[in-house]
Amino acid sequence: GAVVSQHPSWVICKSGTSVKIECRSLDFQATTMFWYRQFPKQSLMLMATSNEGSKATYEQGVEKDKFLINHASLTLSTLTVTSAHPEDSSFYICTSTKTLNYGYTFGSGTRLTVV
Amino acid sequence: SQQGEEDPQALSIQEGENATMNCSYKTSINNLQWYRQNSGRGLVHLILIRSNEREKHSGRLRVTLDTSKKSSSLLITASRAADTASYFCATDRGNTGKLIFGQGTTLQVKP
Repeated sequence: GAVVSQHPSWVICKSGTSVKIECRSLDFQATTMFWYRQFPKQSLMLMATSNEGSKATYEQGVEKDKFLINHASLTLSTLTVTSAHPEDSSFYICTSTKTLNYGYTFGSGTRLTVV
Repeated sequence: SQQGEEDPQALSIQEGENATMNCSYKTSINNLQWYRQNSGRGLVHLILIRSNEREKHSGRLRVTLDTSKKSSSLLITASRAADTASYFCATDRGNTGKLIFGQGTTLQVKP
């Protein structure tokens, strides 16, 4: 089946620093990758959609200069949280699908803690 | 924004009992999907039901879809302690591929 590998699984960083999260599709070409964030005991909120070779599209209220998304190849999408602050602490998770109208494959998530 | 609501928010049952979770959504859909999330982990796809389907089975899972009421239910039969997790419904937004999630139901199955 389809596999999405996400790294790191957890990271602690200092305020003001940047953190990069990677998602790789291991056995399929992920033309599109979706990025979500999830606060404790809450649901997943869609942040942005990344498309290979083009600019990401961001959901309303998500700062594109803060959450930089790069989708340089069909198997790799990255999310960089720039100038992180404690309120950015959250669970970030990526997902993609081989084909629309089929189930999505999620990465294992990244727990970001900003201190 | 969230697509809809799920109820109950939390459900606690004994092993062997059935668990039913409901999901409502607001806009028209192509399909509705159910996912499971163990604490602090990624989501696992359970089942997808298309808008022209009314019921679907997969092992101990049964999903129904009522597009007139914009609602779906997930039934887990003969629950096991290992079914303890959060369950989310998700709908796609047109043909964008974007999945919009419900609030989720936290299920606890006591051994």
